[in-house]
Amino acid sequence: EPEVTQTPSHQVTQMGQEVILRCVPISNHLYFYWYRQILGQKVEFLVSFYNNEISEKSEIFDDQFSVERPDGSNFTLKIRSTKLEDSAMYFCASTVARAGQETQYFGPGTRLLVL
Amino acid sequence: GNSVTQMEGPVTLSEEAFLTINCTYTATGYPSLFWYVQYPGEGLQLLLKATKADDKGSNKGFEATYRKETTSFHLEKGSVQVSDSAVYFCALSDLRYSSASKIIFGSGTRLSIRP
Repeated sequence: EPEVTQTPSHQVTQMGQEVILRCVPISNHLYFYWYRQILGQKVEFLVSFYNNEISEKSEIFDDQFSVERPDGSNFTLKIRSTKLEDSAMYFCASTVARAGQETQYFGPGTRLLVL
Repeated sequence: GNSVTQMEGPVTLSEEAFLTINCTYTATGYPSLFWYVQYPGEGLQLLLKATKADDKGSNKGFEATYRKETTSFHLEKGSVQVSDSAVYFCALSDLRYSSASKIIFGSGTRLSIRP
């Protein structure tokens, strides 16, 4: 069964450093998402992306965050200057573009630790 | 705005006990409703979903019925197993006919099953 993959599974970085989290969505999906989950808290929406542009973003997704689909398969989340509070599990998700089909398939996540 | 409220955890049960995890939602329009499960150390997996009122989603012995009149989507299982120990998230997706819609998650309920 096709699945969403994410790399790396774990990342440790120093405060102020840039990080890029990578995702490979399911191949026939056209809508892509990033979510995050701070340890012990609920999963929060960050951003959705379609047709090479952001569809919607949350207030968490400030100027320090950016997303990109650099080629036909990868979908990346960049944090320009990490803060301690960016430490979280980051999930990528994708959806097939079909009316009524709203199941989002999630990747296994990247655990980011900012020191 | 749209939101999901689910019962606080943790919930601890003995093996073969009956499980109910309550979930209610607030939404405009016609959301699709989901239960996601997160096993220890893993990502989010879709457990079941329902896309319209009175639909019943089911998977792996779990069931939930979309109740529009009570705005609820309670998760039930007749006989739980130790392997069901996980965190369960109730969620909704608004804008049924837009695949760019984000998922809104509840806070999660941790379930522990004793042998």
